[in-house]
Amino acid sequence: AQTVTQSQPEMSVQEAETVTLSCTYDTSESDYYLFWYKQPPSRQMILVIRQEAYKQQNATENRFSVNFQKAAKSFSLKISDSQLGDAAMYFCAYSNYGGATNKLIFGTGTLLAVQP
Amino acid sequence: SQTIHQWPATLVQPVGSPLSLECTVEGTSNPNLYWYRQAAGRGLQLLFYSVGIGQISSEVPQNLSASRPQDRQFILSSKKLLLSDSGFYLCAWSVQTGYTFGSGTRLTVV
Repeated sequence: AQTVTQSQPEMSVQEAETVTLSCTYDTSESDYYLFWYKQPPSRQMILVIRQEAYKQQNATENRFSVNFQKAAKSFSLKISDSQLGDAAMYFCAYSNYGGATNKLIFGTGTLLAVQP
Repeated sequence: SQTIHQWPATLVQPVGSPLSLECTVEGTSNPNLYWYRQAAGRGLQLLFYSVGIGQISSEVPQNLSASRPQDRQFILSSKKLLLSDSGFYLCAWSVQTGYTFGSGTRLTVV
């Protein structure tokens, strides 16, 4: 069974600085998707970034980028120029590629605080 | 556009009472639908998923059940709530690999 591990329960960053959130996963599949979701205090789940495993290029979305290391099964999220609005819980998630269900498997989350 | 509606937003129910949470999707056909639960300070646990009308798969044995009476409707139910059913419940749908989540229901069983 696939698993997702986030080893940092809490992180803190100064406004305008850069922070990296860690995520590792375990799977025997060769094709899959990885995601980072943001959950602010409203608890709405917001997709931050998505990575297809068959793509070697790391995904980027404005200030958010990932470091995808397929062999190491590592998928870290880098937030550049951190803003107060980035403060939230961040979840790493995995989904198989194709198939009928595409279930999302989540890590336990990292609570990010942004200090002014 | 594709949207997902989930209600109610907040619910306080006594132990032993029934439960019905509803989720509807607009702007898509034959989506995969999911119910997740998030306990306080924890990650999301998949409870049920559905790939079509009347097709329900359970991930975790529990006091809850799910039904999909229509293509775009997904219902989470319980006949008798337990204290341990308290949590934040999220409905989600996916067509390919894009997931969209509802705004969630905060359930408190007292």
